[in-house]
Amino acid sequence: GQQVMQIPQYQHVQEGEDFTTYCNSSTTLSNIQWYKQRPGGHPVFLIQLVKSGEVKKQKRLTFQFGEAKKNSSLHITATQTTDVGTYFCAGPRYGGSQGNLIFGKGTKLSVKP
Amino acid sequence: ETGVTQTPRHLVMGMTNKKSLKCEQHLGHNAMYWYKQSAKKPLELMFVYNFKEQTENNSVPSRFSPECPNSSHLFLHLHTLQPEDSALYLCASSQALQGYGYTFGSGTRLTVV
Repeated sequence: GQQVMQIPQYQHVQEGEDFTTYCNSSTTLSNIQWYKQRPGGHPVFLIQLVKSGEVKKQKRLTFQFGEAKKNSSLHITATQTTDVGTYFCAGPRYGGSQGNLIFGKGTKLSVKP
Repeated sequence: ETGVTQTPRHLVMGMTNKKSLKCEQHLGHNAMYWYKQSAKKPLELMFVYNFKEQTENNSVPSRFSPECPNSSHLFLHLHTLQPEDSALYLCASSQALQGYGYTFGSGTRLTVV
């Protein structure tokens, strides 16, 4: 069945270091979304990418959608303690109704001050 | 507040109890969802409602029964649950036809004893 995989599962960085998480889908996606969940919180929508090769930036966060629309990455420059949390990617579930998403397991980021 | 309100925030129930989770969205969205989040597992879609009609039931056991009386309210009725049903239950909404991201509620942390 359709799978969305994320690596790494965990990442520990020193504050100020960069961080990247990768998302790979077993199927071509019409779009990909990224969410952040702080410890003890709920997922919060960050961004949606739609076009092949698309790159979007939000301050220190850079999101990229692969040319084949099967992979994506999130890069954080100069991490801060406020970046701590789990980052999820999600794409439309194949054969599902509109809005039905399949999520990756997430990458848990910890930042040492 | 996210615009999606879930109650209660925490719930402890016995295996023979009947309880209900409530979700209300104030965003004018036309789609609502129930997700289950367990430790070390990806977010699992349970039910999807588009324009208050159920469009997805992701092979959820019948001890979970959803209800969507209108496009702003969503309930999850629980009865004879098992300890493995203990998890964070998240409600989300979206403007499905526009493909925007989900807005999640804060979730209900359910413990079945």
